[in-house]
Amino acid sequence: AQSVTQLGSHVSVSEGALVLLRCNYSSSVPPYLFWYVQYPNQGLQLLLKYTSAATLVKGINGFEAEFKKSETSFHLTKPSAHMSDAAEYFCAVSRITGGGNKLTFGTGTQLKVEL
Amino acid sequence: DSGVTQTPKHLITATGQRVTLRCSPRSGDLSVYWYQQSLDQGLQFLIQYYNGEERAKGNILERFSAQQFPDLHSELNLSSLELGDSALYFCASSAGTGGYLAYYEQYFGPGTRLTVT
Repeated sequence: AQSVTQLGSHVSVSEGALVLLRCNYSSSVPPYLFWYVQYPNQGLQLLLKYTSAATLVKGINGFEAEFKKSETSFHLTKPSAHMSDAAEYFCAVSRITGGGNKLTFGTGTQLKVEL
Repeated sequence: DSGVTQTPKHLITATGQRVTLRCSPRSGDLSVYWYQQSLDQGLQFLIQYYNGEERAKGNILERFSAQQFPDLHSELNLSSLELGDSALYFCASSAGTGGYLAYYEQYFGPGTRLTVT
């Protein structure tokens, strides 16, 4: 079954520092992978998606992710953290099931940005 | 703003009661998905509808049901509510069609926070 694992339920960085949020997937076929962000008391907002067109995917708000098949990883990075990046981040894989599909989410990583 | 709307934003009800959550997808999207977010279970897929038909089912309780109407809005019905049903319920929609459902991203609404007392 396709699933994702997010390492680190909480990550803390200083403002201006590199952000690295880890996601590993398990899949027997090339997956469709997504990163979503959830700000407090809000819904999920799509940051970026991987659909096999390119291994380095650029998203909104300066985030990007690199698909590495050899490591089964899809880590999310941002060169310089901003206070407004503080939120919870979810990695997800899209999976065909029956006649439809669904997103299977990781457990989330809470990002804290400190001055 | 994702273009997906959900009502109500908050719902407080008692155990044993029944509630209906409503979702309007983005204009033109045929797929609607329902997810539950709770502290102990995380984000869990409940059910998917595509153009009025049920297409995929997750770990949705028998007390829960959903439907998608001809105008493509969807409703999630939760009955015989228990304390453990307290959670955030999200609706999402997608432009995916045919064999490409999994390729398309899902856009999430702001959620309905259900509190069962």
